[in-house]
Amino acid sequence: NAGVTQTPKFRILKIGQSMTLQCTQDMNHNYMYWYRQDPGMGLKLIYYSVGAGITDKGEVPNGYNVSRSTTEDFPLRLELAAPSQTSVYFCASSYGEGELFFGEGSRLTVL
Amino acid sequence: AQTVTQSQPEMSVQEAETVTLSCTYDTSESDYYLFWYKQPPSRQMILVIRQEAYKQQNATENRFSVNFQKAAKSFSLKISDSQLGDAAMYFCAYRSAGAGGTSYGKLTFGQGTILTVHP
Repeated sequence: NAGVTQTPKFRILKIGQSMTLQCTQDMNHNYMYWYRQDPGMGLKLIYYSVGAGITDKGEVPNGYNVSRSTTEDFPLRLELAAPSQTSVYFCASSYGEGELFFGEGSRLTVL
Repeated sequence: AQTVTQSQPEMSVQEAETVTLSCTYDTSESDYYLFWYKQPPSRQMILVIRQEAYKQQNATENRFSVNFQKAAKSFSLKISDSQLGDAAMYFCAYRSAGAGGTSYGKLTFGQGTILTVHP
């Protein structure tokens, strides 16, 4: 049982480049989330989704986009990378308001 | 909006001793959940313990227990018989219960406390 899988685990981007962080869960969870964790800080919610085709902004959505075309996948898109987006990104999922299961994180550096 | 504050950036404990990590939160809601998560160097977020605000009894999971003081909006984590594997960053988190399930499971995290366990 893979749980929540994120790819890539590490990535270095140049300013202005675009990329997509992939997230897949195999637990048939309806809720999915993207958080970012800056050094020495707690996690902050970027976007979340309560089901396929339904997404909404979290606390820090600027500079990001998401889509949810299937129950399993919830990719996070960075269109014009900026140094302020250097962070560790976590995808998570839950069944309704049950326990959140987290991926292992993706470390992104923007230079 | 809710806020969660962990005032101890770092704590240390000797192996087999007991340590308490502090957490306070601010909310105007009466129904909510509180959590402690552990993040070891592997970065994987692991749920340690959960407390429902409507329950007066403090949650316990083996060596981990909480002291939940609803009126004081305080939620501390006690780790007994500390082990080397307990070394990690610990996060306190809040989740609204939400009328009709409208919190959508969203968590608000504190800044974290780094716990070092000395052999």
